[in-house]
Amino acid sequence: SAVISQKPSRDICQRGTSLTIQCQVDSQVTMMFWYRQQPGQSLTLIATANQGSEATYESGFVIDKFPISRPNLTFSTLTVSNMSPEDSSIYLCSVATQGAQNEQFFGPGTRLTVL
Amino acid sequence: GENVEQHPSTLSVQEGDSAVIKCTYSDSASNYFPWYKQELGKRPQLIIDIRSNVGEKKDQRIAVTLNKTAKHFSLHITETQPEDSAVYFCAASGAAGNKLTFGGGTRVLVKP
Repeated sequence: SAVISQKPSRDICQRGTSLTIQCQVDSQVTMMFWYRQQPGQSLTLIATANQGSEATYESGFVIDKFPISRPNLTFSTLTVSNMSPEDSSIYLCSVATQGAQNEQFFGPGTRLTVL
Repeated sequence: GENVEQHPSTLSVQEGDSAVIKCTYSDSASNYFPWYKQELGKRPQLIIDIRSNVGEKKDQRIAVTLNKTAKHFSLHITETQPEDSAVYFCAASGAAGNKLTFGGGTRVLVKP
């Protein structure tokens, strides 16, 4: 399966600032997604990162707060903007590989703490 | 949209016993049902999945069953071992762009 990396692995940020999280895959993938996992909770889909076009956001998530880029088939970024302590969470990217219908594999996650 | 409910939220079993986790989903168009295992501080790992054209799938000590009519699916772990201790998540996906909707998770503790 694809090797997925995320940067940074963790960060501590001040409220009001922004953090950009990178997701890199070692092979071309059809779909990339961004999830949030709050402490002790399940995974919630933020958006689908579309290559070469605007991301598709889920209910409750907006582009101004979580801008996403996907310039090619192996890379995506998620920015958490104007952060507040409520944004403290683990952010995970996932990928669906070509030829493996529906199967999603997760990156290692980025643990974000907002003070 | 899809809604997935998972039970129980915690499960404690004796080593060697079986564990069963159940999930229900709401969208009859869903056709793909994966299970993920997440150990503390680690990423979710896909352990088994089932598609709507299959009623049961088995992989060594784990198996998944699907009842499309009742819209529920279950994970069965037999001969549990301490390394099976983790949080398990079920999920459902339909035709809408492979999006996964996750259940709330089950924390499994296998006592030696």
